[in-house]
Amino acid sequence: DSGVTQTPKHLITATGQRVTLRCSPRSGDLSVYWYQQSLDQGLQFLIQYYNGEERAKGNILERFSAQQFPDLHSELNLSSLELGDSALYFCASSSTSGPSYEQYFGPGTRLTVT
Amino acid sequence: AQSVAQPEDQVNVAEGNPLTVKCTYSVSGNPYLFWYVQYPNRGLQFLLKYITGDNLVKGSYGFEAEFNKSQTSFHLKKPSALVSDSALYFCAVRDPQGQGSPHFGAGTRLTVKP
Repeated sequence: DSGVTQTPKHLITATGQRVTLRCSPRSGDLSVYWYQQSLDQGLQFLIQYYNGEERAKGNILERFSAQQFPDLHSELNLSSLELGDSALYFCASSSTSGPSYEQYFGPGTRLTVT
Repeated sequence: AQSVAQPEDQVNVAEGNPLTVKCTYSVSGNPYLFWYVQYPNRGLQFLLKYITGDNLVKGSYGFEAEFNKSQTSFHLKKPSALVSDSALYFCAVRDPQGQGSPHFGAGTRLTVKP
């Protein structure tokens, strides 16, 4: 158990809808990362937050947004969903935003858009 | 710019034989290198990292990796493979001066046959 929790585990929704994925980092970790994993594209970095502030952006679509709250949990909001958004979404945390620190991944949320 | 390549999509080995999962990287300056493992329906788990010092790094579950600066490689090795090592393995690289996520390779699926 990595100590990172994600809810829900599974989510099935229709095209055009909006969903929110939630992540709680390991106790004491300030940095949260969001990733999308699909079969044909591997692990894609979406966005990073550090202590409530956006720190880095990856290949995040404009339809997607995220935030990190004062208690350090984070939410990823996906809107106007398309079939191609079906994927596993992972959250990871690390103690700092520094590059020498490893990440701890949650179990993921499997999103299916029908 | 930083990048990492895992030249083999799939590696098959027999139980008890040594295994190697290959990784090469490109980064300006000295890299920070990581290996992660993903078991089915799970998030990625940190195995080991190279930051500085001894080129041979030992990690979890009997795995080790050797940093080779001249060949820009960081191959993952284990002297005797177990069936339970069957999983998806990801190499990742970070620029010490960079921000954001590590760059992950596309992953190598390791299958250990009894």
